[in-house]
Amino acid sequence: QKEVEQDPGPLSVPEGAIVSLNCTYSNSAFQYFMWYRQYSRKGPELLMYTYSSGNKEDGRFTAQVDKSSKYISLFIRDSQPSDSATYLCAMKDAGGTSYGKLTFGQGTILTVHP
Amino acid sequence: NAGVTQTPKFRVLKTGQSMTLLCAQDMNHEYMYWYRQDPGMGLRLIHYSVGEGTTAKGEVPDGYNVSRLKKQNFLLGLESAAPSQTSVYFCASSYTYWGEGKNIQYFGAGTRLSVL
Repeated sequence: QKEVEQDPGPLSVPEGAIVSLNCTYSNSAFQYFMWYRQYSRKGPELLMYTYSSGNKEDGRFTAQVDKSSKYISLFIRDSQPSDSATYLCAMKDAGGTSYGKLTFGQGTILTVHP
Repeated sequence: NAGVTQTPKFRVLKTGQSMTLLCAQDMNHEYMYWYRQDPGMGLRLIHYSVGEGTTAKGEVPDGYNVSRLKKQNFLLGLESAAPSQTSVYFCASSYTYWGEGKNIQYFGAGTRLSVL
């Protein structure tokens, strides 16, 4: 079983839809949770960063962490064609140094069609 | 501000050939990483460095070597390329958050490598 499971999709939605992307994990030591967005033939770029449990909102994006269920989500409101990309979740434990291995999900391919 | 720059962007090798991928960052980051990305596998860590002159193995280090002679550069070498090394390679760097485990990585645009 992989430490981080992410549905690879692909996911196709109409413009304006609410998108929900999810990851589950098995390592209870994970404390730092990130979402990266990767456009086709580009490198991943950080979209959202959350420490421990709770919600974080940034414009049309909301990240949620439920540590009791070992489940994280990314919601995209009013989705736009420019949101079409692969979304990768990433996690890290609370090691005392800021080097630590990031564990990535497989990525979910999202297409928002006009 | 270029961030993380990878060269080359594309490369085709024959089995047994060698090559070096170059990563350069201009953010004065201490930590640098090399990943490979394959369909259905996500990003897998090959090697990493926590500072100039230091390197360490990641998840999938076999067949690769690295060097970090200067803080801003991290080189990934393939001594004898194999078809299994056909992949997209990403370099990343991250800042040092002293006393906490925060780790936010900034990625380059990738190098697409095909080994025939």
